[in-house]
Amino acid sequence: KAGVTQTPRYLIKTRGQQVTLSCSPISGHRSVSWYQQTPGQGLQFLFEYFSETQRNKGNFPGRFSGRQFSNSRSEMNVSTLELGDSALYLCASSRPSGGNPYEQYFGPGTRLTVT
Amino acid sequence: TQLLEQSPQFLSIQEGENLTVYCNSSSVFSSLQWYRQEPGEGPVLLVTVVTGGEVKKLKRLTFQFGDARKDSSLHITAAQPGDTGLYLCAVLGPGTASKLTFGTGTRLQVTL
Repeated sequence: KAGVTQTPRYLIKTRGQQVTLSCSPISGHRSVSWYQQTPGQGLQFLFEYFSETQRNKGNFPGRFSGRQFSNSRSEMNVSTLELGDSALYLCASSRPSGGNPYEQYFGPGTRLTVT
Repeated sequence: TQLLEQSPQFLSIQEGENLTVYCNSSSVFSSLQWYRQEPGEGPVLLVTVVTGGEVKKLKRLTFQFGDARKDSSLHITAAQPGDTGLYLCAVLGPGTASKLTFGTGTRLQVTL
């Protein structure tokens, strides 16, 4: 079974621009979560989508948004980029497993550099 | 204040040595997970512990969940270069079971 794929893997943007990142979950997984990883703040939760609906949102400004399509693929968008948005953006997919803790499967990430 | 504090932050050891990584919190958790992240990749789940005092083994890795379910440790026996990476503990929530809160991370380097 193919893993979580993210495109593009690397991206360089200029301050003020916007960017869209894409994530394709593992086949059959309906939940997609996005995380931001930086050296200073570590891994932080951005938001989670399930069945095309945002189910949870982390503590990030409104410049960060996302959506999920009917085939469970997800995109996240960052508008008006700031230097501090430079980070590794990770997507994870999972499938609710009843009473057991979620097992999230991560993609390789998109490395975004803002100059 | 971080929900999950890991120690040490960095660890550089030689092949064959043993090491222990700690994940501590003042909060009680229903479960705790450990991930390993290699350069250029996303985190990979190693284990989930759910019962206070639980010990799980994965080859040379031994994971323990504290009796009070506030802390956990990861012990690696006879470390190998392939163990190099960022080790992260994580818990579900807070507030929802559909997000992970990660610890501060321990970066391990094992040299020959």
